[in-house]
Amino acid sequence: GAGVSQSPSNKVTEKGKDVELRCDPISGHTALYWYRQSLGQGLEFLIYFQGNSAPDKSGLPSDRFSAERTGGSVSTLTIQRTQQEDSAVYLCASSIDWETQYFGPGTRLLVL
Amino acid sequence: AQKVTQAQTEISVVEKEDVTLDCVYETRDTTYYLFWYKQPPSGELVFLIRRNSFDEQNEISGRYSWNFQKSTSSFNFTITASQVVDSAVYFCALSVLNTGNQFYFGTGTSLTVIP
Repeated sequence: GAGVSQSPSNKVTEKGKDVELRCDPISGHTALYWYRQSLGQGLEFLIYFQGNSAPDKSGLPSDRFSAERTGGSVSTLTIQRTQQEDSAVYLCASSIDWETQYFGPGTRLLVL
Repeated sequence: AQKVTQAQTEISVVEKEDVTLDCVYETRDTTYYLFWYKQPPSGELVFLIRRNSFDEQNEISGRYSWNFQKSTSSFNFTITASQVVDSAVYFCALSVLNTGNQFYFGTGTSLTVIP
């Protein structure tokens, strides 16, 4: 079956621009997660959704970051006024509640 | 509070050696899952195994084996006769029934297998 997909695979943008990253979870997965991974680092939790609601937004690094999920499926992570320190790989994962997370291939964001 | 600790940041072994990756977890809940993921140089995290807290039976899958010990809150991962393709970053993770759907990841262990 289809896994988690993310788009775009790579994104290069200029400092100050807004970017939108998309995640398509595995069909039927109720929970969706966003993580950030800087080069050579571990996973930094950003936000998770249960259905369309986000019980935990504690990981969002600043108010420039926002995310939404519609129809209990696709999610969009938006970064406004991008900064160079936002450059990283953004990973999405989905799961059935607290069971196994399955990860997408990630979006590599480079802010020039 | 929940926490996962992977004290080994980097490990290098010579091909065909056995290697054990350590994982220590903290939780006060009695119902939880433990996981291992592999992140090869290509970048995508690959799920390897899940164990629930009520099943301490060790598991073997080919060259991979996992040792779950509640007494020491550890869930260690051993690769037998390592191969170059095992070179990756390995993450241990915990999910707990009573904390919603939050997952807790360790900081990862980077394994390099030298040919």
